[in-house]
Amino acid sequence: NAGVTQTPKFQVLKTGQSMTLQCAQDMNHNSMYWYRQDPGMGLRLIYYSASEGTTDKGEVPNGYNVSRLNKREFSLRLESAAPSQTSVYFCASSSMGQLLDQPQHFGDGTRLSIL
Amino acid sequence: LAKTTQPISMDSYEGQEVNITCSHNNIATNDYITWYQQFPSQGPRFIIQGYKTKVTNEVASLFIPADRKSSTLSLPRVSLSDTAVYYCLVVPNAGKSTFGDGTTLTVKP
Repeated sequence: NAGVTQTPKFQVLKTGQSMTLQCAQDMNHNSMYWYRQDPGMGLRLIYYSASEGTTDKGEVPNGYNVSRLNKREFSLRLESAAPSQTSVYFCASSSMGQLLDQPQHFGDGTRLSIL
Repeated sequence: LAKTTQPISMDSYEGQEVNITCSHNNIATNDYITWYQQFPSQGPRFIIQGYKTKVTNEVASLFIPADRKSSTLSLPRVSLSDTAVYYCLVVPNAGKSTFGDGTTLTVKP
């Protein structure tokens, strides 16, 4: 039972390079999220997708794009990487309960360094 | 989005009960309170969620007073493996909740 799978686990990029972080969940969840976590800090929401075909900006969307490819997959793209985007990126998913999203399930993160 | 305030860090000893309080003064009527735990190099993990009064599961208890402007996560008889960062979130109906910086709990032998 994989849960939320993120690839790659580690990546080093040069400034200006582009990259797509992949995320897939096998729990049939409707909602998916992308967060970034800088050292010693909490998670900040980058983008959110309530369902297939919909996306919404979070707290820190600048410099990122997302694609909700299907119900299972939600990718995060850095078009022109900058050193300020060095961080650990977490993907999460949750189902939608009657009144609110159910608790989120997280992947193990992608550690991204931009030189 | 409702903002939460938690202590930055707490220390405890094995076997003690730990209470972490979270302030959320502008919580809305339909918001729930959710707590997550995060170990180093891992994603956060759900601990407990509640709306009002008291909720208990096999891991923790959550106490929420009538005005819901704060909540307290209670961890009974902590062990070294409970050393982690604990996040309090106010979860609105739309699902876009905000993680603060959390509380770093250090359990000492």
